[in-house]
Amino acid sequence: GQQLNQSPQSMFIQEGEDVSMNCTSSSIFNTWLWYKQDPGEGPVLLIALYKAGELTSNGRLTAQFGITRKDSFLNISASIPSDVGIYFCVGRAGGTSYGKLTFGQGTILTVHP
Amino acid sequence: EPEVTQTPSHQVTQMGQEVILRCVPISNHLYFYWYRQILGQKVEFLVSFYNNEISEKSEIFDDQFSVERPDGSNFTLKIRSTKLEDSAMYFCASSKDSAYGYTFGSGTRLTVV
Repeated sequence: GQQLNQSPQSMFIQEGEDVSMNCTSSSIFNTWLWYKQDPGEGPVLLIALYKAGELTSNGRLTAQFGITRKDSFLNISASIPSDVGIYFCVGRAGGTSYGKLTFGQGTILTVHP
Repeated sequence: EPEVTQTPSHQVTQMGQEVILRCVPISNHLYFYWYRQILGQKVEFLVSFYNNEISEKSEIFDDQFSVERPDGSNFTLKIRSTKLEDSAMYFCASSKDSAYGYTFGSGTRLTVV
């Protein structure tokens, strides 16, 4: 099946620092999504990317849909303590798998005040 | 903001017992999904449901699993004879159409003993 390789697995940063995480795949996705999961909660959508090359921002978050459609990155600027959580890159293929999401392994972010 | 509601939040069951996990999707959404997350692992797709039928399912979704939309508001996942390895967080999700990012519920933690 389709696999997403997400890195890094974990990050420990100081409040105020910028963060970057990325995802690569051996197969093409038509949509890239970035979700955040807090402990004991379900994933919450942060950013959705629908076109190759698209760069989208949501507040301090910026994400890009790679031109090859096989990768995406997420940047968080000026991190704050509430950014703590697990960040997942998620791909959605086309065709008959249009509705199915494939999750990356997640990046655990810890922000020290 | 509209939410996907899941009940119960935690279920403990004996191995071999049947369990039903319940979800109330967002009211104007038409696509419904179940995902699971084994502790410490990534979120995995189980099944998608549209127009009162399964549109796609993963290898995990074997004959022990079934889904149903018994009325206009609920969406259920039934596991007929639970195994120890079914212990996981089960997330329900819904979307307006298959092109949008999904809204996930907070999950049901299933513990099989």
